[in-house]
Amino acid sequence: NAGVTQTPKFQVLKTGQSMTLQCAQDMNHEYMSWYRQDPGMGLRLIHYSVGAGITDQGEVPNGYNVSRSTTEDFPLRLLSAAPSQTSVYFCASRGQGSGANVLTFGAGSRLTVL
Amino acid sequence: AQSVSQHNHHVILSEAASLELGCNYSYGGTVNLFWYVQYPGQHLQLLLKYFSGDPLVKGIKGFEAEFIKSKFSFNLRKPSVQWSDTAEYFCAVGRDSWGKLQFGAGTQVVVTP
Repeated sequence: NAGVTQTPKFQVLKTGQSMTLQCAQDMNHEYMSWYRQDPGMGLRLIHYSVGAGITDQGEVPNGYNVSRSTTEDFPLRLLSAAPSQTSVYFCASRGQGSGANVLTFGAGSRLTVL
Repeated sequence: AQSVSQHNHHVILSEAASLELGCNYSYGGTVNLFWYVQYPGQHLQLLLKYFSGDPLVKGIKGFEAEFIKSKFSFNLRKPSVQWSDTAEYFCAVGRDSWGKLQFGAGTQVVVTP
């Protein structure tokens, strides 16, 4: 098992550009989520999904879209990037047998918006 | 607002010193409590967790944490740190059965040789 795989690891965008951060897990986990990590603020939940076809907003959803067409994939879309979205993004997943709230994290995607 | 507070943002200590990191949360009701660690350049890893039972929980690498319900606290401790413990430590609280976690701001720990 590869666990949680995120691509790309690094990305530089210009303001107004769009892009998608990819997240895939091969553990058949039902729950997947996206967090952003900013200095002094810890990790904040952007969006999450409890299964294919089901998504919901977290703490800081504005400027981001998600979809969950398959169990394995949970892409995060930035439709019009802003400098405030410069951050490190982590995808995390959890399966039924993992114990409540025990998340497996990906390696992160560092995004810079100029 | 409900939150998770970590008292120290930066801690610098020497090898063999004892470490204690404070964490308080403001949620009522049943919670699941976690400490995650992020070593330089790596992703978050679970250090230890508390769901129920013995309030003193032991995790990996000699870390332990104590849940004190009356104080809404879940402090992390290690009796003798090593240089390899240099990392950022995050306290997190879960309130549902899925995976939504509320994280603290993190504490950067630097252990000097």
